[in-house]
Amino acid sequence: GESVGLHLPTLSVQEGDNSIINCAYSNSASDYFIWYKQESGKGPQFIIDIRSNMDKRQGQRVTVLLNKTVKHLSLQIAATQPGDSAVYFCAEGDDYKLSFGAGTTVTVRA
Amino acid sequence: GAVVSQHPSWVICKSGTSVKIECRSLDFQATTMFWYRQFPKQSLMLMATSNEGSKATYEQGVEKDKFLINHASLTLSTLTVTSAHPEDSSFYICSAYGGLGRETQYFGPGTRLLVL
Repeated sequence: GESVGLHLPTLSVQEGDNSIINCAYSNSASDYFIWYKQESGKGPQFIIDIRSNMDKRQGQRVTVLLNKTVKHLSLQIAATQPGDSAVYFCAEGDDYKLSFGAGTTVTVRA
Repeated sequence: GAVVSQHPSWVICKSGTSVKIECRSLDFQATTMFWYRQFPKQSLMLMATSNEGSKATYEQGVEKDKFLINHASLTLSTLTVTSAHPEDSSFYICSAYGGLGRETQYFGPGTRLLVL
């Protein structure tokens, strides 16, 4: 089946800098995209979502960008903090069923 | 709102025994629940989709007789790993889909299973 993938498996960021995590998806029929954060030993935590009729959505310190032309999704985290260190997954599909990418491990340097 | 719990949070069992994991939606009714498995440093892999009152739909390659799913109410789904073996050791995560008004999946904290 079609799947979602991430460009880079790891990302190291200086505390206070902005982080950008990228994701490429292959199913052009997907209409819903979500970013999750997963800390070690815990379940995924919802960060932000976006539907295919939008190209940008902002939350608290986070922004998701969707480029349907090239099937690319990104998560921007402003002023990265030590608590942002985790594995970040993008997922695509519809509300009912999701397909997860491989994950990017973000490490925040003090 | 939209809290999902799992019990137990971790379990160690002997090879050949069966283990039941519960998934509950605490503050909403979940029309659908999902069960995922996650191996170390890997992504979440969907095992099955569970609708209240009906049989679960299993993903390709997942043995339905090995992983029994019961979704008896709108707030509870259970996953039973039957005759567990060491290769079944994994992190099992459930999610609940709330439908109208809660149109996304909310994840539980996961259950760590170690089969000796």
